[in-house]
Amino acid sequence: AQTVTQSQPEMSVQEAETVTLSCTYDTSESDYYLFWYKQPPSRQMILVIRQEAYKQQNATENRFSVNFQKAAKSFSLKISDSQLGDAAMYFCAYIPYSGGGADGLTFGKGTHLIIQP
Amino acid sequence: DAGVTQSPTHLIKTRGQQVTLRCSPKSGHDTVSWYQQALGQGPQFIFQYYEEEERQRGNFPDRFSGHQFPNYSSELNVNALLLGDSALYLCASSLDRRNTIYFGEGSWLTVV
Repeated sequence: AQTVTQSQPEMSVQEAETVTLSCTYDTSESDYYLFWYKQPPSRQMILVIRQEAYKQQNATENRFSVNFQKAAKSFSLKISDSQLGDAAMYFCAYIPYSGGGADGLTFGKGTHLIIQP
Repeated sequence: DAGVTQSPTHLIKTRGQQVTLRCSPKSGHDTVSWYQQALGQGPQFIFQYYEEEERQRGNFPDRFSGHQFPNYSSELNVNALLLGDSALYLCASSLDRRNTIYFGEGSWLTVV
């Protein structure tokens, strides 16, 4: 069974600084997708960034970028120029390519990100 | 373009009762999945519907059942409610099962 581990229950960063959230996963699959989702107090899960495992290039979305290390099964999220609106729970998630995506996402337990003004 | 919509947003049920939660997927999406998120935890996959059939189920008992309609909307039913079923229930939709998955705002269920 696949597992996703987020070892940082809470992280705090000053506004405008950079923060990195860690995620490791365990799988025997070779093709899969990895995601970072943001969940603000409103509780809606918002997609931040997506990475296909077969792509060596790290995904980037504006201030958000990932460091994907397939051999190490590591998928960290870097947030540059942190803003107050970035404060939220961040979840790392995995889904295998095989099975047509029917297996559903496997989530980590989340990291609570605090932005200090 | 409406995103994933869920109803109701909040509800309170008594132990032993039954509940039905509803979800309309994002426009153009044909796959709907349901997740349970207990307080302080990440979401747990309940099951997925595609072409009106349950394609895969997570580690949830048969008290959890669902349905997908021809217009791709979906229902989640939970029978014989337990206190432990209190959680946020999230609906997610995608196109062709492997594409990006979008979530609704969830339905808060409290069982008393």
